[in-house]
Amino acid sequence: GENVEQHPSTLSVQEGDSAVIKCTYSDSASNYFPWYKQELGKGPQLIIDIRSNVGEKKDQRIAVTLNKTAKHFSLHITETQPEDSAVYFCAASSVSNDYKLSFGAGTTVTVRA
Amino acid sequence: GAVVSQHPSRVICKSGTSVKIECRSLDFQATTMFWYRQFPKQSLMLMATSNEGSKATYEQGVEKDKFLINHASLTLSTLTVTSAHPEDSSFYICSAREGQGMGNQPQHFGDGTRLSIL
Repeated sequence: GENVEQHPSTLSVQEGDSAVIKCTYSDSASNYFPWYKQELGKGPQLIIDIRSNVGEKKDQRIAVTLNKTAKHFSLHITETQPEDSAVYFCAASSVSNDYKLSFGAGTTVTVRA
Repeated sequence: GAVVSQHPSRVICKSGTSVKIECRSLDFQATTMFWYRQFPKQSLMLMATSNEGSKATYEQGVEKDKFLINHASLTLSTLTVTSAHPEDSSFYICSAREGQGMGNQPQHFGDGTRLSIL
């Protein structure tokens, strides 16, 4: 089945700096890659997603890049703010897993004011 | 945006009690919903897939008689933890997938239910 690895597990950045989280996946049939932000005591919130027919997608301060050949995708947060502090999860899905999401282990991001 | 409502947010009850958790998609229909369990500082672990009008499919190692799932409409799925014991204490989260078929449609999550069994 699909195996998603996520790095780093923790990330501390100064407010205003950029944060980058990287994920790799194993199933070459995976074609949908969402990113979720989870705040303490809450459920994950979908913040951006990308499909395999594009290489990059941007939404204001958040962008995601996808390299299908290397089977990795990354989340980029620019001009970080304290409210960006949370746990971020990447995920992948494909028809070979009935489109269920396979999650990475998560990255705890702390933005220092 | 798509909103998923999950209730209750917190339950504390005695061992042996059965607990029902509701998951509703408020502004979209969802043929498929999912139930996850999350341990502290860990990722989400899929327990089962809830399909409207048919039986749920459970992941390996998840007891279907322990975790009863009902998906009676396109906007509501329920998870009942039967005869709960302290080891069932956890954070349970549901999600609903947009659309009425298979495919890579976005999944939206509820805010979870913190279950504590005394």
